[in-house]
Amino acid sequence: AQSVTQLGSHVSVSEGALVLLRCNYSSSVPPYLFWYVQYPNQGLQLLLKYTTGATLVKGINGFEAEFKKSETSFHLTKPSAHMSDAAEYFCAVSDDYGGATNKLIFGTGTLLAVQP
Amino acid sequence: GAGVSQSPSNKVTEKGKDVELRCDPISGHTALYWYRQSLGQGLEFLIYFQGNSAPDKSGLPSDRFSAERTGGSVSTLTIQRTQQEDSAVYLCASSLVGLSTDTQYFGPGTRLTVL
Repeated sequence: AQSVTQLGSHVSVSEGALVLLRCNYSSSVPPYLFWYVQYPNQGLQLLLKYTTGATLVKGINGFEAEFKKSETSFHLTKPSAHMSDAAEYFCAVSDDYGGATNKLIFGTGTLLAVQP
Repeated sequence: GAGVSQSPSNKVTEKGKDVELRCDPISGHTALYWYRQSLGQGLEFLIYFQGNSAPDKSGLPSDRFSAERTGGSVSTLTIQRTQQEDSAVYLCASSLVGLSTDTQYFGPGTRLTVL
């Protein structure tokens, strides 16, 4: 079964500092990986996804993530944090590759706080 | 264009009552998913629809939970004889055709509180 681990349930950065949110996956087949963001009392919004091709994926709001097969990682980064980035971030893997369902398996989430 | 909508946004019910949660997916999306988000369990998959069929119901936690989809569009998640542990935010998502690479678009959720 596929799974996702997010290290650090809470991360705090200063405005303008680098944001690094960690995600490691476990998969027996090439994974399809996603990062979603959830603002308070809202649903999830896709930031970016990796399917095939270029391993450095750029998303919305200045975020990017790099797929590293050797490290089974898909860490999310942003060079300079903004106050509006404060939210909860979820890494997910698409389960049942080529099968009858393509549900998302989510990590436990990382709550990002941005300090002024 | 219109995104995924869910109703009601909040539902408070008494233990033992039945509740129905509604999801309107993005028009033209054939795949529809229900997830549950709770403090103890995080985000967990409940059921997947392709058209009106549900090829994967593996996440439904008990036989008190059921869901249907009609006309390849609206879906209803029904919880019978609600329990306090059912309290959670129920999220619906839809995607174009249900491929592993598809983006799933999420609704704002229904917050269910069972007293």
